[in-house]
Amino acid sequence: GQQVMQIPQYQHVQEGEDFTTYCNSSTTLSNIQWYKQRPGGHPVFLIQLVKSGEVKKQKRLTFQFGEAKKNSSLHITATQTTDVGTYFCAGIQGAQKLVFGQGTRLTINP
Amino acid sequence: NAGVTQTPKFQVLKTGQSMTLQCAQDMNHEYMSWYRQDPGMGLRLIHYSVGAGITDQGEVPNGYNVSRSTTEDFPLRLLSAAPSQTSVYFCASSYGPSLYTGELFFGEGSRLTVL
Repeated sequence: GQQVMQIPQYQHVQEGEDFTTYCNSSTTLSNIQWYKQRPGGHPVFLIQLVKSGEVKKQKRLTFQFGEAKKNSSLHITATQTTDVGTYFCAGIQGAQKLVFGQGTRLTINP
Repeated sequence: NAGVTQTPKFQVLKTGQSMTLQCAQDMNHEYMSWYRQDPGMGLRLIHYSVGAGITDQGEVPNGYNVSRSTTEDFPLRLLSAAPSQTSVYFCASSYGPSLYTGELFFGEGSRLTVL
């Protein structure tokens, strides 16, 4: 079945530094979703990318969908302590299953 | 709207015991699902439902049962708990029935420990 891999598994940065997490799929994705989970919390939807090569921005967060629709990335510019958490990408399988990557846990030194 | 409500938030079981994790949503969502989250494993789909009376298996269904008698409720039953089922369980819903129509809304989670 479809596998979604995320790297890195962990990332520690100084506040103000940039952060990027990468998501790769073994198959072509129709679309990809990104979620954020704060420590001790539940996943919260951030964004969905649908088009090949699509780039979307949410304030300091930039999301990209690869041209071949097999990879995606999330880049955070100038991290803040509120960015702490685990970021997950997820691809839809068969219209009714969302397959999650392992997540990237971001910690920040203030 | 309360969104997705899960109960209980914490539960400790002994091996072999059975229990039910409750999930209810008040958003009239057609799609509901259960995930388990283990360290380093991300979120893995257990079972899902695209409407009342319709359920299907996800990636890790063994040891779990579900039913969907109403649009609002989607309970997850552990038939005979095993230590390997120690995990955090999340219920999630979507407008559905296809996930192309929108994102998942997650409950706050239920932390289960099996001794």
